[in-house]
Amino acid sequence: GAVVSQHPSWVICKSGTSVKIECRSLDFQATTMFWYRQFPKQSLMLMATSNEGSKATYEQGVEKDKFLINHASLTLSTLTVTSAHPEDSSFYICSAPASFFGGIGVDEQFFGPGTRLTVL
Amino acid sequence: AQTVTQSQPEMSVQEAETVTLSCTYDTSESNYYLFWYKQPPSRQMILVIRQEAYKQQNATENRFSVNFQKAAKSFSLKISDSQLGDTAMYFCAFMKTSGAGSYQLTFGKGTKLSVIP
Repeated sequence: GAVVSQHPSWVICKSGTSVKIECRSLDFQATTMFWYRQFPKQSLMLMATSNEGSKATYEQGVEKDKFLINHASLTLSTLTVTSAHPEDSSFYICSAPASFFGGIGVDEQFFGPGTRLTVL
Repeated sequence: AQTVTQSQPEMSVQEAETVTLSCTYDTSESNYYLFWYKQPPSRQMILVIRQEAYKQQNATENRFSVNFQKAAKSFSLKISDSQLGDTAMYFCAFMKTSGAGSYQLTFGKGTKLSVIP
């Protein structure tokens, strides 16, 4: 199957600073990537859809000016948490849809390993 | 919009026994996939099994199988011969494959499965 990486795996920052998280598809091209947020012992909540070469689509209730998404290439999407506050501390996961067998269609999502953000 | 419901927040099973995790969903879509994902303590999402909605035959992957009842919008996961490594959170997920919002995953709240030695 395809591989998605995320960097960093864990980041600690001070309140008021910005943090960038990278999501890369290593062996396939991803015109679309998804960003999720997961609080402890909860499910994954979709934050936004990242589209290569165009603006991201944000889910209701997600502040687009706070969570900046850039999908500048077919293998890289970035999520920047601006002016981070302790309530932004969470686990952030990206995924990319692709074909499990490497074909043209989509029949699966491939997930990155996640990034744990702690804001002090 | 789609909804996915997992009604069992926690379950436990003895090692080597069989356990079934429940999932129901609601959608008006005709083209979609259903998935079960496993999330161990590492929090890496791992695909357990996939079911295409147009296929009547239930998917199986080694010790894992599903009971897909399309009319009832039910998609349960059966784990046979449970192993200690099966201990994890299990998420049921829905993915539409056409129209607006294609390929987005909608997750259930999850079931925490504990396998007891």
